[in-house]
Amino acid sequence: NAGVTQTPKFRILKIGQSMTLQCAQDMNHNYMYWYRQDPGMGLKLIYYSVGAGITDKGEVPNGYNVSRSTTEDFPLRLELAAPSQTSVYFCASSYSRATGEPQHFGDGTRLSIL
Amino acid sequence: GENVEQHPSTLSVQEGDSAVIKCTYSDSASNYFPWYKQELGKGPQLIIDIRSNVGEKKDQRIAVTLNKTAKHFSLHITETQPEDSAVYFCAASSSGYSTLTFGKGTMLLVSP
Repeated sequence: NAGVTQTPKFRILKIGQSMTLQCAQDMNHNYMYWYRQDPGMGLKLIYYSVGAGITDKGEVPNGYNVSRSTTEDFPLRLELAAPSQTSVYFCASSYSRATGEPQHFGDGTRLSIL
Repeated sequence: GENVEQHPSTLSVQEGDSAVIKCTYSDSASNYFPWYKQELGKGPQLIIDIRSNVGEKKDQRIAVTLNKTAKHFSLHITETQPEDSAVYFCAASSSGYSTLTFGKGTMLLVSP
């Protein structure tokens, strides 16, 4: 059981480049999330999705875009990479929005923008 | 929106000692409080959670307590072991919302 799989694990980008961070889950979860984690700052929600075709902004959505064409996949796109987007990105999923439904996390993508 | 404060930011204990991490939340409507453990190079993993209709929950060496009146909740780890060394995050969520608000994390170091 793979759970939540994120690719790539590491990436270095130049300022202005674009890339897509991939996230896939095999647990048939409806809800998926993207977080960024900066040192000493905890996890900040970027975007989330409650099902295929439905996405919504989180706390820090600027500079990012998402799409959800299937239940399994929830890619995060950076269009014009900026140094402020250097971070560790985590994807998570959960079955429902019911209280007490845990979120399952992938192992992250470490992104550096130089 | 919800705001979650977590203290301390770092905690060093000797093996066998107890460790306590505290969190406060601002939204009185919050009713679900999970705790996550993050090991180096890994994503956060749920270790224990509590709902607002419960005051305390235990799972072997870990326990969580909740004080709804004061809007704070705590993680207690007894008989700490070196493998407990990690970053711990608290979080809060309101009924009907699908998102969690996380604290900034506590780095726990357990020395042999």
